[in-house]
Amino acid sequence: GAGVSQSPSNKVTEKGKDVELRCDPISGHTALYWYRQSLGQGLEFLIYFQGNSAPDKSGLPSDRFSAERTGGSVSTLTIQRTQQEDSAVYLCASSLVGHLYEQYFGPGTRLTVT
Amino acid sequence: EDKVVQSPLSLVVHEGDTVTLNCSYEVTNFRSLLWYKQEKKAPTFLFMLTSSGIEKKSGRLSSILDKKELFSILNITATQTGDSAVYLCAVSSSNTGKLIFGQGTTLQVKP
Repeated sequence: GAGVSQSPSNKVTEKGKDVELRCDPISGHTALYWYRQSLGQGLEFLIYFQGNSAPDKSGLPSDRFSAERTGGSVSTLTIQRTQQEDSAVYLCASSLVGHLYEQYFGPGTRLTVT
Repeated sequence: EDKVVQSPLSLVVHEGDTVTLNCSYEVTNFRSLLWYKQEKKAPTFLFMLTSSGIEKKSGRLSSILDKKELFSILNITATQTGDSAVYLCAVSSSNTGKLIFGQGTTLQVKP
């Protein structure tokens, strides 16, 4: 596609429910990243994929958070047993493997846990 | 702990003014510093800096890195209302592309 797309754009869920957030990277971008942006905060790194493997998942805040990537393309971030502190905008980015730092961001998913 | 600090956190100027945004960092194994502009949701890439003293320029925007003093500045000359946005500074200290972001500077340009 023309850019990184994410779905849904907004998600409201009740505390304790599981949610899945989806990211479609730019075609041909083998590197994919998830970040989280809480209100008034900078972006916080969550996980990095190269192809289908995740060599850096150091930013996942707890074992309730997991992510996978299939076919070297679409990625899903799953949050189990959501808590109110999980409320944030979840941003996905992708890049070419030779240009890891030039990351192109999607519009994000705004997650609200009530 | 790696950290990136931006200042000021917010700034209000009038069209035509020149602004300077600051970014200081403390990271191990510095690789590059990046600037992004975030208007609504998706940050858009502005510059990547890896070498000290070499200015990067794009139109009215320019940026420079000082690796000795561990900071970077982003200059915007002749500001326009369309420059209103949050400007994010990020640093990479790993070979995985992981970026460490500052809190951002919110710039408002009034007509």
